[in-house]
Amino acid sequence: EPEVTQTPSHQVTQMGQEVILRCVPISNHLYFYWYRQILGQKVEFLVSFYNNEISEKSEIFDDQFSVERPDGSNFTLKIRSTKLEDSAMYFCASIFTPATNTGELFFGEGSRLTVL
Amino acid sequence: AQTVTQSQPEMSVQEAETVTLSCTYDTSESDYYLFWYKQPPSRQMILVIRQEAYKQQNATENRFSVNFQKAAKSFSLKISDSQLGDAAMYFCAYRSWRSQGNLIFGKGTKLSVKP
Repeated sequence: EPEVTQTPSHQVTQMGQEVILRCVPISNHLYFYWYRQILGQKVEFLVSFYNNEISEKSEIFDDQFSVERPDGSNFTLKIRSTKLEDSAMYFCASIFTPATNTGELFFGEGSRLTVL
Repeated sequence: AQTVTQSQPEMSVQEAETVTLSCTYDTSESDYYLFWYKQPPSRQMILVIRQEAYKQQNATENRFSVNFQKAAKSFSLKISDSQLGDAAMYFCAYRSWRSQGNLIFGKGTKLSVKP
């Protein structure tokens, strides 16, 4: 069964460093998402991406964050200058289309980011 | 802004018994979608069941069913004949009909299943 895959599973970085989290969505999906979960808190929406542009983003997704689909398979989340509060589990998700408005998002296993 | 509340951080059930996980939400919208996602340890979240707000009939998927009370803004998940494999974090989530995938999650309920 097709899956969303994420790398790395865990990354430790120093504050101020740039981090890129990678995701390979399911191959025929058109919409891609990043969510994050700070330890002990809710899973929070960051951004959705369609047709090579951001379609929706939350207040969390500020100028420090960017997303890109550099080729036909990868979808990346870049954090330019990491802060301690960026430490979280980051989930990638994809869907063929949410047009029916009942579409199921398929999630990856997550990338745990630890900022020291 | 919409919010989702899961008031039970942890629940426990005996194998083969029934358990109900609670979820309440707050919204001013009339059209929306509600979901229960399951996240086993170290695995990805998978959809358990979904409910469209315009449907009065409660959704059912095998051993999983919901009690959707629109007026009360309540969306509980009932798991019947619990199995060891049901042990996981369960997240309730809300999605506006206007959204292209922005799910609003509750904090989750950790379900343990005792043999």
